Amino acid sequence: AQKITQTQPGMFVQEKEAVTLDCTYDTSDQSYGLFWYKQPSSGEMIFLIYQGSYDEQNATEGRYSLNFQKARKSANLVISASQLGDSAMYFCAMREGLGGTYKYIFGTGTRLKVLA
Amino acid sequence: NAGVMQNPRHLVRRRGQEARLRCSPMKGHSHVYWYRQLPEEGLKFMVYLQKENIIDESGMPKERFSAEFPKEGPSILRIQQVVRGDSAAYFCASSRGTAPRDEQYFGPGTRLTVT
Repeated sequence: AQKITQTQPGMFVQEKEAVTLDCTYDTSDQSYGLFWYKQPSSGEMIFLIYQGSYDEQNATEGRYSLNFQKARKSANLVISASQLGDSAMYFCAMREGLGGTYKYIFGTGTRLKVLA
Repeated sequence: NAGVMQNPRHLVRRRGQEARLRCSPMKGHSHVYWYRQLPEEGLKFMVYLQKENIIDESGMPKERFSAEFPKEGPSILRIQQVVRGDSAAYFCASSRGTAPRDEQYFGPGTRLTVT
């Protein structure tokens, strides 16, 4: 069964330091996409970064990078130079591309608190 | 270039009433998804629609919930005879296509409170 696991319910990081948020996934499909979303206290879902299953290089978007280890089925989000505005819930999601309906499967999220 | 629009943003209903949640996808997007988020949980898929068709409703409760995406107008998620357990945030998302790379753009959500 398809599944996303985020094992860190909450994380703290000092401002300006880097932090890694863990995500592991389980799928039998060869083609899939992995996404990270940020949900601030206001509630909206903000897309951060995408990694395709066939992408050979780790995705990067500004201060966000995705540490993709396909054999381990992990897709950890790295936030460099943390800012106070990074405090939010972070969700990892997977989308399968073959035979499915392309729905997202979300993890339970990690609440990140950046300390001044 | 408007994003995904949802209304209302907040909705309060008494037990037994009906709730109607509306979603207008981004321009050029014909794929719509509804998700539900219970407090302190991740989003759970409910239903996937294209214009005039329900493609996958595997996440929808069998009773009281229905969804549509008519040829004209927004997608509607309808909850009949609401109960307290229906209190949640309901998110709509849309995408241009269905390849894994096709990002889903989320609306701001509708927060339903059942009293």
